[in-house]
Amino acid sequence: DGGITQSPKYLFRKEGQNVTLSCEQNLNHDAMYWYRQDPGQGLRLIYYSQIVNDFQKGDIAEGYSVSREKKESFPLTVTSAQKNPTAFYLCASKGLAGGFTDTQYFGPGTRLTVL
Amino acid sequence: AQSVTQLGSHVSVSEGALVLLRCNYSSSVPPYLFWYVQYPNQGLQLLLKYTSAATLVKGINGFEAEFKKSETSFHLTKPSAHMSDAAEYFCAVSAGGFKTIFGAGTRLFVKA
Repeated sequence: DGGITQSPKYLFRKEGQNVTLSCEQNLNHDAMYWYRQDPGQGLRLIYYSQIVNDFQKGDIAEGYSVSREKKESFPLTVTSAQKNPTAFYLCASKGLAGGFTDTQYFGPGTRLTVL
Repeated sequence: AQSVTQLGSHVSVSEGALVLLRCNYSSSVPPYLFWYVQYPNQGLQLLLKYTSAATLVKGINGFEAEFKKSETSFHLTKPSAHMSDAAEYFCAVSAGGFKTIFGAGTRLFVKA
């Protein structure tokens, strides 16, 4: 079955640690996205990528980094510079053949907690 | 620039009652509008989308939404609520480029 997988489902980080969240898709989608979700704030865009080896900052990129070495994969690193990383992180992807009418498909999410 | 406003962070209905979740948008170009549903600790799932083909859009699980340009609205409705409809619902707008703008969400509670 085609879809988006995120791992791990739950992640705990100590102060000062970098952690990497995995996102893989087998939908052959060109665009991939990372969102952060906090209660009552909806989804906020962290980074997005339209093609391999290219990505752009979203609205809240500070303290985060990404890479896009393969079309299928878009890992997110939460660095120690992110002062309040506890949140639910969602990865999404979208095909670009239909332009911006195409639907974003979401993974199941990773819940990150700082200890 | 595009924006989305969802009126009401929480909505409570009785089982069998009408569900109405409100969404207003702002866009300088013709928008494409989406409703997503999220169950606890899960990702978002598309309910329906408006792409200018028809103003009344039918989605999954008996939901539908009507695009009203004059009111800049895209409210989500379902004639009869079921307990399984309890979830958080997000309205979103895409109007060019690769970004989609999401509303803050409305949590739907269904009382037995």
